[in-house]
Amino acid sequence: GQQLNQSPQSMFIQEGEDVSMNCTSSSIFNTWLWYKQDPGEGPVLLIALYKAGELTSNGRLTAQFGITRKDSFLNISASIPSDVGIYFCAGQFMNAGNMLTFGGGTRLMVKP
Amino acid sequence: GAVVSQHPSWVICKSGTSVKIECRSLDFQATTMFWYRQFPKQSLMLMATSNEGSKATYEQGVEKDKFLINHASLTLSTLTVTSAHPEDSSFYICSARPWTGDWGETQYFGPGTRLLVL
Repeated sequence: GQQLNQSPQSMFIQEGEDVSMNCTSSSIFNTWLWYKQDPGEGPVLLIALYKAGELTSNGRLTAQFGITRKDSFLNISASIPSDVGIYFCAGQFMNAGNMLTFGGGTRLMVKP
Repeated sequence: GAVVSQHPSWVICKSGTSVKIECRSLDFQATTMFWYRQFPKQSLMLMATSNEGSKATYEQGVEKDKFLINHASLTLSTLTVTSAHPEDSSFYICSARPWTGDWGETQYFGPGTRLLVL
């Protein structure tokens, strides 16, 4: 399927720093989702966004559904070593059978 | 809640053999399950949508006769890789969408199955 444009592709940061990543699409979505994938595991849902403009937090994570419905960002505050992994955004459009379109992923590495 | 399991977690097989992978939703019913393939350092690519009681819908470029999908119940979908070849080696991940009457329900992913074809 078509991929979303996710950036950056990778980040290498110091523990305690804040992280920001985003996804953009040429298509609108009804739902934006952010997943984290650890090596050898399936993706785990972090945050789901259902309305344009919605800003949702989950602990140190904050994500927003863009007003245009074509973009979303994820912020991680005060990063810790266990934040290491690959973060994927995904867009879902109801009329497309609820299929997910995934971004290319952001590989996050945290230096203690 | 919303736990999805896969079995096996990894499998090594000889070229030409068939491999079956199971995907189960443990605490909810899923009328729709999805099968993805992920190559190293790449994103998840949807292979097919599995609908309970009907034929699967395959994405363009995915051979339906090679990747057989059966969704026999509301909690189980199976993917069979027939006549596997080394290029089929990959990480196969399923997901399941709970049916709550709301088409906005999201998908929950299994832990994945790593397939290595020798």
